[in-house]
Amino acid sequence: AQSVTQPDIHITVSEGASLELRCNYSYGATPYLFWYVQSPGQGLQLLLKYFSGDTLVQGIKGFEAEFKRSQSSFNLRKPSVHWSDAAEYFCAVGGYTDKLIFGTGTRLQVFP
Amino acid sequence: EAQVTQNPRYLITVTGKKLTVTCSQNMNHEYMSWYRQDPGLGLRQIYYSMNVEVTDKGDVPEGYKVSRKEKRNFPLILESPSPNQTSLYFCASSSRSLGIDNEQFFGPGTRLTVL
Repeated sequence: AQSVTQPDIHITVSEGASLELRCNYSYGATPYLFWYVQSPGQGLQLLLKYFSGDTLVQGIKGFEAEFKRSQSSFNLRKPSVHWSDAAEYFCAVGGYTDKLIFGTGTRLQVFP
Repeated sequence: EAQVTQNPRYLITVTGKKLTVTCSQNMNHEYMSWYRQDPGLGLRQIYYSMNVEVTDKGDVPEGYKVSRKEKRNFPLILESPSPNQTSLYFCASSSRSLGIDNEQFFGPGTRLTVL
């Protein structure tokens, strides 16, 4: 079955610290992978996406993610977190059709 | 400005009272979709549309209807809302009907409470 797992429901980091949000997927075909961010009271904004090619992809706001096929993972990273990064982050997987399967999200809290 | 709009943003209603949540996009996108977001469950797809007059069920279609008479609009209809439809609803659109190498743009969300 197709699914996305985000094992961390809630993560707390200090401002300036590095961040890694985990995402594991199960998908029968070649996956297209996405990370979205949802700020409080807002819709979802695309951070980055992976379709093919270089397995390390760069996104907006200084985020990057690495696709590891052998581990079925697509973890999101940022070297130095800012207070404005506090939000909920969703990993999603899709395929040839436009249907997206979302993970349950990771809520990031940033302490000054 | 390219955007997906939803109305209303907030709605409190009672069980059984029919309601419609509108969704409109100004990007000439073919694909549109409705999701609901519930705590601990992430986003789940309700219905989607590949193009005008083409709609199909997503993962949780029970209790919902949609229509796609115009390319820009994709309303979500709850004929007889029930409390388990209390949720945050998002409309999304993208420019390709097949092949997902394009971004899905999301609306700001509609928070629905059914009493």
